[in-house]
Amino acid sequence: ETGVTQTPRHLVMGMTNKKSLKCEQHLGHNAMYWYKQSAKKPLELMFVYNFKEQTENNSVPSRFSPECPNSSHLFLHLHTLQPEDSALYLCASSRRGNGYTFGSGTRLTVV
Amino acid sequence: AQKITQTQPGMFVQEKEAVTLDCTYDTSDQSYGLFWYKQPSSGEMIFLIYQGSYDEQNATEGRYSLNFQKARKSANLVISASQLGDSAMYFCAMREGDGGGGFKTIFGAGTRLFVKA
Repeated sequence: ETGVTQTPRHLVMGMTNKKSLKCEQHLGHNAMYWYKQSAKKPLELMFVYNFKEQTENNSVPSRFSPECPNSSHLFLHLHTLQPEDSALYLCASSRRGNGYTFGSGTRLTVV
Repeated sequence: AQKITQTQPGMFVQEKEAVTLDCTYDTSDQSYGLFWYKQPSSGEMIFLIYQGSYDEQNATEGRYSLNFQKARKSANLVISASQLGDSAMYFCAMREGDGGGGFKTIFGAGTRLFVKA
């Protein structure tokens, strides 16, 4: 366990479904992140939250909707996704400029 | 714009030997941080080592060291005495700024390291 917990580990959803990914950390970190990792592509930053305020939205389509109710929890709400959205979604947290602590990721398959 | 380049898609190394994974970066900022992460087949990303742009000495963490050459904008990872468990993807990453708030880090495409017995 890294201290960052992501659920579920695997998710299969249809293009018309609505689902949510959850990320939780109890490391006392102030910043949390969502990254997308697709096959043969570098990790893509999606969202950055600092003290539960969104500080970065990296031109992510609106079918991905983040929510950060407090510094320990981060959600990614998914709706009407496309097959190309299938990927590994990684959550991370950090304290200031230190290295990230990543969760184990959610492997998402859109059918 | 930020850019991280890892030119080695795959590398082989004999067990117990040292290996260097290359990373070059591009930034116009004076203050930035450089990171290396390891991703085993299990998928979890593991933070290995950090180098600040103002750090005069190369960072070291156990068998990992970062060969920081600021003028060349390179931040190569050196793994000494390779072990079979070192087989994984390795990502170089950079963030701009002093990291005082929420900040973004960009990642290179990665290098897959294979350690041979």
